[in-house]
Amino acid sequence: SQKIEQNSEALNIQEGKTATLTCNYTNYSPAYLQWYRQDPGRGPVFLLLIRENEKEKRKERLKVTFDTTLKQSLFHITASQPADSATYLCALDSPNSGGYQKVTFGIGTKLQVIP
Amino acid sequence: NAGVMQNPRHLVRRRGQEARLRCSPMKGHSHVYWYRQLPEEGLKFMVYLQKENIIDESGMPKERFSAEFPKEGPSILRIQQVVRGDSAAYFCASSLGQLTYEQYFGPGTRLTVT
Repeated sequence: SQKIEQNSEALNIQEGKTATLTCNYTNYSPAYLQWYRQDPGRGPVFLLLIRENEKEKRKERLKVTFDTTLKQSLFHITASQPADSATYLCALDSPNSGGYQKVTFGIGTKLQVIP
Repeated sequence: NAGVMQNPRHLVRRRGQEARLRCSPMKGHSHVYWYRQLPEEGLKFMVYLQKENIIDESGMPKERFSAEFPKEGPSILRIQQVVRGDSAAYFCASSLGQLTYEQYFGPGTRLTVT
């Protein structure tokens, strides 16, 4: 079955620096990959989706890359701010024959931006 | 436009009782997903429903758990005879269509079984 690996250790970074989070996967070739943000006690919030034929996607200070050869996605937050502190989840579409969207989530990486 | 609503936000049940978790999707959304999140674990898919139909319940335990999404009213996740291992955060998400990628999550219901 597909496996998603995110660095379960917290990532501490100084304000203003670029934060880079990693999502690795095995045993599957997803058609797309998503990134979500989750704050304590809240539900995840969708941030970005990148398809298998896209190398990179940007949204404001966020950038996602997708390397299907390495089976890896990198999630970058440039000019990081304390408000960016949260847990970031990677999600891959799951194989199913039902013709509907179904995703599998990674455990998430906790980002702490230090003022 | 109100987002996905879940209630209650916190639910405490004794072992053996029943837990009912409610989810009202975003307006116009007819597709609902339920997930369970245990401490230090990722979100685990439980069930996917469309109005009046269970499409995929492959992530839901066969016993004690059931879900419905009636024509009128919220989606309900029901856990009968709860055990301590059922303690978790349960999240509901809705989407606009079957092929819509983005899921909108509710705030979750935190179930504690004592």
